[in-house]
Amino acid sequence: AQTVTQSQPEMSVQEAETVTLSCTYDTSENNYYLFWYKQPPSRQMILVIRQEAYKQQNATENRFSVNFQKAAKSFSLKISDSQLGDTAMYFCAFMKAVVGNQFYFGTGTSLTVIP
Amino acid sequence: DSGVTQTPKHLITATGQRVTLRCSPRSGDLSVYWYQQSLDQGLQFLIQYYNGEERAKGNILERFSAQQFPDLHSELNLSSLELGDSALYFCASSDATGDYEQYFGPGTRLTVT
Repeated sequence: AQTVTQSQPEMSVQEAETVTLSCTYDTSENNYYLFWYKQPPSRQMILVIRQEAYKQQNATENRFSVNFQKAAKSFSLKISDSQLGDTAMYFCAFMKAVVGNQFYFGTGTSLTVIP
Repeated sequence: DSGVTQTPKHLITATGQRVTLRCSPRSGDLSVYWYQQSLDQGLQFLIQYYNGEERAKGNILERFSAQQFPDLHSELNLSSLELGDSALYFCASSDATGDYEQYFGPGTRLTVT
């Protein structure tokens, strides 16, 4: 079975600063995908970034980047130049690299950006 | 806008009742997934349908059932409702042809009183 752990239930960061959210996962699979989703107060699930396990290069998407450590089964999200609109719940998710497979989600980290 | 629609947005009902949640996937997507998000929790996978057939089952209670129709929309039926069934129910869809991304609908908030 796959498990995803987010050990930081809540975090805060000053506007314009950098923050890192942690995620670890447990799997015996070799091929898989990892995702970070953002859930603002509207409750919509918004994809932030994704990483293919077979790629060594860390994914980046504008102010968002990941630190993917496959051997350590760690997948952290770094948000640079934090903005007020980044305030949200952030969920880490795992998916086996099988087309049409389900997500396994962590319990989330509530991030507050302080003006 | 993800292209996935869910109705209704909100639903309030009493214990013991039965409700139906509806999901229309993105145009062309054959796979539909249902997830449950209880208060301040992550999303739990319930069930997946692919082109009308059940593909995978997660932590879905026996009181819950789902189906996918020929036009690919899906319905999640919840019966004998309990207070603990109060949650946000998300539907997601994917084309299941190589794109691993799932596109989430806005969710249906169910409150059982």
